[in-house]
Amino acid sequence: DTAVSQTPKYLVTQMGNDKSIKCEQNLGHDTMYWYKQDSKKFLKIMFSYNNKELIINETVPNRFSPKSPDKAHLNLHINSLELGDSAVYFCASSQGWDEKLFFGSGTQLSVL
Amino acid sequence: GESVGLHLPTLSVQEGDNSIINCAYSNSASDYFIWYKQESGKGPQFIIDIRSNMDKRQGQRVTVLLNKTVKHLSLQIAATQPGDSAVYFCAERHGNNDMRFGAGTRLTVKP
Repeated sequence: DTAVSQTPKYLVTQMGNDKSIKCEQNLGHDTMYWYKQDSKKFLKIMFSYNNKELIINETVPNRFSPKSPDKAHLNLHINSLELGDSAVYFCASSQGWDEKLFFGSGTQLSVL
Repeated sequence: GESVGLHLPTLSVQEGDNSIINCAYSNSASDYFIWYKQESGKGPQFIIDIRSNMDKRQGQRVTVLLNKTVKHLSLQIAATQPGDSAVYFCAERHGNNDMRFGAGTRLTVKP
């Protein structure tokens, strides 16, 4: 069983569209994250979330919003997609803030 | 600002040799460090971690060394194998702050 799964694996869309990426973890972790990896492989935190607190990286545009229907899910919604949003987006989870992260396999987003 | 970086962006080694991947960090308050391995088309995978109250930790074929004096972290891979070819990231965390990643080093193992 995949511990952290995200869908879709690939997402190709036009500028201006709204899209969502789903993430689910079956590890029983209480903290989930979204990271963005650019073309140079640099991983940048976007959001950190548990059932008590959402931490937003101040550089993330407000077109991006996380939605958590329950503890096992943290979906990423993106409004009005722009060319610069093209990247690989990774979901991750951990048991608490101070433990190692487990990553999903990534979603390759291409905005045309 | 505070950052996590790597000395070597690429590293090529012969199969069977030992590999050393280095990482410099600038936040002296960081207290938890992790090495991740990322293969093509996959997410980062945990390799080994170390907390600031230690200076060395060993796993299977891997050793992490932490030098807090010079704010340096290294990953040693013994008897490197073709399956070790990947991009390696160091990451650091201070308390409850976010896990911050370095730029990554691409390790290529030649048969």
